[in-house]
Amino acid sequence: QKEVEQNSGPLSVPEGAIASLNCTYSDRGSQSFFWYRQYSGKSPELIMSIYSNGDKEDGRFTAQLNKASQYVSLLIRDSQPSDSATYLCAVSSGSARQLTFGSGTQLTVLP
Amino acid sequence: DTAVSQTPKYLVTQMGNDKSIKCEQNLGHDTMYWYKQDSKKFLKIMFSYNNKELIINETVPNRFSPKSPDKAHLNLHINSLELGDSAVYFCASSPSNGANPFFGPGTRLLVL
Repeated sequence: QKEVEQNSGPLSVPEGAIASLNCTYSDRGSQSFFWYRQYSGKSPELIMSIYSNGDKEDGRFTAQLNKASQYVSLLIRDSQPSDSATYLCAVSSGSARQLTFGSGTQLTVLP
Repeated sequence: DTAVSQTPKYLVTQMGNDKSIKCEQNLGHDTMYWYKQDSKKFLKIMFSYNNKELIINETVPNRFSPKSPDKAHLNLHINSLELGDSAVYFCASSPSNGANPFFGPGTRLLVL
């Protein structure tokens, strides 16, 4: 059974701080890794994808992947109240490249 | 607007009823999905269709039956609704199987 685990939170950070969101996965053969943001009552939207070990930066967001440790993280620099949402980690694996989601981490950025 | 659209947005119904949710994408994607998100925000894939062909059929009750009349549409029919079916159902699409999906707005189903 493929599993993707995240701390459910809630995680609270002050405005301007760095928010760090973590995710571990069980399938060593996983190929692709994604972070989605979901505002309350809305649908998930893709904010980052990462496919190889290391860091990938996009604006205030940095995704980090360590396949040996089966660990992927998302850093949000200069956090803003508008970043308050649930962040879902998703991992693609298997011949069908099925996407498995974690249960999400609820982030609150305090003004 | 290019998007994934679903109807209805809200669905309140009695136990035992049969209902359908429609989904359409005009993104030209080959793969469409149905996901279920429960009250704890856990998002789980139910079905995946690639060019109208069923690719993934997770362990869902056979009361749930997807139908893909063409690659731009994937509808979900649910028979004999149960209380535990209450959830948000998201349709999604992606350019190919396994690429990151683009989600529709969701259908909030409440079974009374």
